[in-house]
Amino acid sequence: DSGVTQTPKHLITATGQRVTLRCSPRSGDLSVYWYQQSLDQGLQFLIQYYNGEERAKGNILERFSAQQFPDLHSELNLSSLELGDSALYFCASSVVGRGADTQYFGPGTRLTVL
Amino acid sequence: AQSVAQPEDQVNVAEGNPLTVKCTYSVSGNPYLFWYVQYPNRGLQFLLKYITGDNLVKGSYGFEAEFNKSQTSFHLKKPSALVSDSALYFCAVRENYGGSQGNLIFGKGTKLSVKP
Repeated sequence: DSGVTQTPKHLITATGQRVTLRCSPRSGDLSVYWYQQSLDQGLQFLIQYYNGEERAKGNILERFSAQQFPDLHSELNLSSLELGDSALYFCASSVVGRGADTQYFGPGTRLTVL
Repeated sequence: AQSVAQPEDQVNVAEGNPLTVKCTYSVSGNPYLFWYVQYPNRGLQFLLKYITGDNLVKGSYGFEAEFNKSQTSFHLKKPSALVSDSALYFCAVRENYGGSQGNLIFGKGTKLSVKP
């Protein structure tokens, strides 16, 4: 158990809908990352927050947004969902968010868009 | 741009034999290198990382990795494979400089299959 928790574990929804994925980092970690894992794209970095502020953006669609709250948990919002958004979404956390810092991953949320 | 290559989609090994999972990287500066393992329907588990210093890094579950700067490689090894090592292995890199972003760049993954 990495200490990173994600809810829900599974999410099934329809095209056009909006969902929210939640992540709680390990105790003491200030940085949260979101990654998307799909068969065709592999593991893709979406976005990083550090102590409530956005630090880095990767291949995140405009339909997707995230935030990190004062208690350091993070939410990833996915809207106007398309079939291609079906994937495993991982949250990771680390202490300082750069350098040799190790990222610890949560168990993931499997999103299925029908 | 940073990148990581894992040239083998799958590696098959007999239980008790040594295993190697290959990884090569490309960064403009010095790298921080990581190995993660993913079991079915699970998240990624950290195995080990290279920061600096000794080129042989020891990690969890008996795994080790050898950093080779001239060949830009960071191969994962284990002297004696177990059936329970069967999983998907990911190599990742983060560039080592002050302004680097925090995210990791992952390879496509290598499926390791260990047969009894």
